[in-house]
Amino acid sequence: AQSVTQLGSHVSVSEGALVLLRCNYSSSVPPYLFWYVQYPNQGLQLLLKYTSAATLVKGINGFEAEFKKSETSFHLTKPSAHMSDAAEYFCAINDYKLSFGAGTTVTVRA
Amino acid sequence: KAGVTQTPRYLIKTRGQQVTLSCSPISGHRSVSWYQQTPGQGLQFLFEYFSETQRNKGNFPGRFSGRQFSNSRSEMNVSTLELGDSALYLCASSIGTSGTQETQYFGPGTRLLVL
Repeated sequence: AQSVTQLGSHVSVSEGALVLLRCNYSSSVPPYLFWYVQYPNQGLQLLLKYTSAATLVKGINGFEAEFKKSETSFHLTKPSAHMSDAAEYFCAINDYKLSFGAGTTVTVRA
Repeated sequence: KAGVTQTPRYLIKTRGQQVTLSCSPISGHRSVSWYQQTPGQGLQFLFEYFSETQRNKGNFPGRFSGRQFSNSRSEMNVSTLELGDSALYLCASSIGTSGTQETQYFGPGTRLLVL
């Protein structure tokens, strides 16, 4: 079965600092990977997805992620954090159903 | 296009009751999946419906059931509610014919509280 693991349940960054959220995957076949964001009392919003077309994937709100097969990783980054980035972020792998990581809560300090 | 809609948004029930949640997918999407989100277990897959047939199922007891109508709208039902069923129930829709690379689009969820 395919799975993802998110390292770090909580990340705190200063406004303007780099945001780095870690996700590692386990899959015996080429994976399809996704990052979603969830704001309080809302559903999940797609940030970006990897479908093997390119290893560096750009998403919405300035986020991007790099697929590294050698490291089985799909880490999410944003060069400069904004207060509005405070939310919970989920990495997911699609195996005819989405399997999610445990999530990483991001807080942004002014 | 309108997004995925879920009704009701909030629900309070007591143990032993049953509940029905509704989901309307994005127009043109034929696949609807349901997920349960709790603080302890995180996001877990319940089941997926495509063209009125259950195509995939997670590891939940038979108290959890669903169906899909010819217009792709879906309902899920939970019978004999337990305290542990308190959760945010999320519905997601996708086209349904492009396999595992498809994007699932989520609704705002229904928050169920069981007392």
